[in-house]
Amino acid sequence: NAGVTQTPKFQVLKTGQSMTLQCAQDMNHEYMSWYRQDPGMGLRLIHYSVGAGITDQGEVPNGYNVSRSTTEDFPLRLLSAAPSQTSVYFCASRRLAGSRLGTGELFFGEGSRLTVL
Amino acid sequence: GDSVTQMEGPVTLSEEAFLTINCTYTATGYPSLFWYVQYPGEGLQLLLKATKADDKGSNKGFEATYRKETTSFHLEKGSVQVSDSAVYFCALLTGTASKLTFGTGTRLQVTL
Repeated sequence: NAGVTQTPKFQVLKTGQSMTLQCAQDMNHEYMSWYRQDPGMGLRLIHYSVGAGITDQGEVPNGYNVSRSTTEDFPLRLLSAAPSQTSVYFCASRRLAGSRLGTGELFFGEGSRLTVL
Repeated sequence: GDSVTQMEGPVTLSEEAFLTINCTYTATGYPSLFWYVQYPGEGLQLLLKATKADDKGSNKGFEATYRKETTSFHLEKGSVQVSDSAVYFCALLTGTASKLTFGTGTRLQVTL
């Protein structure tokens, strides 16, 4: 079972470069999201989507773009990387259907470690 | 807004010691509560959950009880193992929200 797949696992960028972190899930989950994890800050939500064609901002959306053209894929784009975007990025997905709160269980990818010099 | 407060780590215990990691929350409405665990080099995975007051979630020897009166969801384990060394995150999900709110995480280190 693939679950949530993120690529690349590691990336080094120079300030001002652009890149896309890829995320794909094979569980037919409606909800997908991107988090960044920084020491002492826990996980902070960047963007999320509740279905194809629908995206919304989380706590820390500045400097990041997302799109959701299919149920399976939810790429995260950095248009002009900055050192403050050095972090570990996690993609996560879950069902929305079912109970009022959905299942609540988020399935996470293994993470992408990004360094911006 | 919604928030989760966890005790700061790291928590260092000897094998077979008793573990408590405190978690309190602030939320509108009636949230569901979760504990996630992150092993080194991996993503987070669900450890246990509780969806209403007085529910007890349990898994792998870990337990947590949803206490509405104290707005708490403390994680406990009677006898920790070295393999329990990880970072533990408390989280909540409220009724109309699509997204989970996470605490900052508590690192647990278990030694022989």
